[in-house]
Amino acid sequence: AQSVTQLGSHVSVSEGALVLLRCNYSSSVPPYLFWYVQYPNQGLQLLLKYTTGATLVKGINGFEAEFKKSETSFHLTKPSAHMSDAAEYFCAVARTSGNTPLVFGKGTRLSVIA
Amino acid sequence: DADVTQTPRNRITKTGKRIMLECSQTKGHDRMYWYRQDPGLGLRLIYYSFDVKDINKGEISDGYSVSRQAQAKFSLSLESAIPNQTALYFCATSASGEPEAFFGQGTRLTVV
Repeated sequence: AQSVTQLGSHVSVSEGALVLLRCNYSSSVPPYLFWYVQYPNQGLQLLLKYTTGATLVKGINGFEAEFKKSETSFHLTKPSAHMSDAAEYFCAVARTSGNTPLVFGKGTRLSVIA
Repeated sequence: DADVTQTPRNRITKTGKRIMLECSQTKGHDRMYWYRQDPGLGLRLIYYSFDVKDINKGEISDGYSVSRQAQAKFSLSLESAIPNQTALYFCATSASGEPEAFFGQGTRLTVV
């Protein structure tokens, strides 16, 4: 079975500071990994994904994540936080066969302080 | 227009009532999903369907049922709603063999 652990249900950063949201996964087979963002009163929007190839993945809005197999991690980073980044972020995992639904972590709420 | 449309967006219902949440999509995807979101619990899978004749239970299917009326339509029913089914419900779709999911705007359901 696959699972995702997001460390920290709430992260608060100052505007302009580094954003680091942590995600560790468990999977018996090589995974596909995703980060989604949810703005207030909206659905989930894909930020970035890792499927194969380069382990450093760049997404929208200046976010990136690195797949580290040895650490079973897929942490999300952004060099400089903006007020508009305040949202809830979800890490998700799926089998590389593509034949299983996404399994989500419990989410991390990001607050950005002016 | 949204690619994945959920109706209603908000609903308040009474304990014991039957309620249906509807989802339609214009993405042409074969696969559709229903997730439930609760604060601190993330998204949990209720049911999923890989094609019109395929229905599968997810992690938390008890108290729910689904119907895949067509490739583009997937509805979720609560036969007898209870207060702990108060949550935000999301429909999602994906293409065959592709795990990336596309989400609707959600339905906020309150059971009183």
